[in-house]
Amino acid sequence: EADIYQTPRYLVIGTGKKITLECSQTMGHDKMYWYQQDPGMELHLIHYSYGVNSTEKGDLSSESTVSRIRTEHFPLTLESARPSHTSQYLCASKQTGAGNTEAFFGQGTRLTVV
Amino acid sequence: DAKTTQPPSMDCAEGRAANLPCNHSTISGNEYVYWYRQIHSQGPQYIIHGLKNNETNEMASLIITEDRKSSTLILPHATLRDTAVYYCIVRVNGNNRLAFGKGNQVVVIP
Repeated sequence: EADIYQTPRYLVIGTGKKITLECSQTMGHDKMYWYQQDPGMELHLIHYSYGVNSTEKGDLSSESTVSRIRTEHFPLTLESARPSHTSQYLCASKQTGAGNTEAFFGQGTRLTVV
Repeated sequence: DAKTTQPPSMDCAEGRAANLPCNHSTISGNEYVYWYRQIHSQGPQYIIHGLKNNETNEMASLIITEDRKSSTLILPHATLRDTAVYYCIVRVNGNNRLAFGKGNQVVVIP
């Protein structure tokens, strides 16, 4: 059973607002990821982290920022939301290792900016 | 990570084995083949992975060709709940990034 949680599940917010999408995992995984996905479209990696105080940009340019102050927590922030940010955001985690290297995903946050 | 090529979509008959192909002709010796699936915009779910040998678990079997340039994911008895986008990913174990391509939209038909 995956222990990775995203909040909120759904968010409708006005243009210009600052928002933070939360992602937490209780599995002690060192690697965490954020993906952006529009309906019926490809999953795009936008940020990842391979440990505390490490963050990297993914393949798709994003105006969002992330932080990794604690192992279990990997929040994503948009300083000023715009309608173009409307999408689903998925968080994932996995543990480095030669054995089982399965990635676990959260339920996602559906963001709508009006 | 090496690039993979999958058909964009395919249909399978319920109750039959579903064979999902993946080409990875530029795979290098230390890269693993991973399969995930995503059911209707839920988070992707890990299915199986392998390096050289064929692998089987409770969900599926993974057949990797001897030259490792292609692989096939086999769902032994497809059900309607197996309808999903299936992703074939090639990556080095321990690589920090985890990127998904376009995947293969598999529809199981009654």
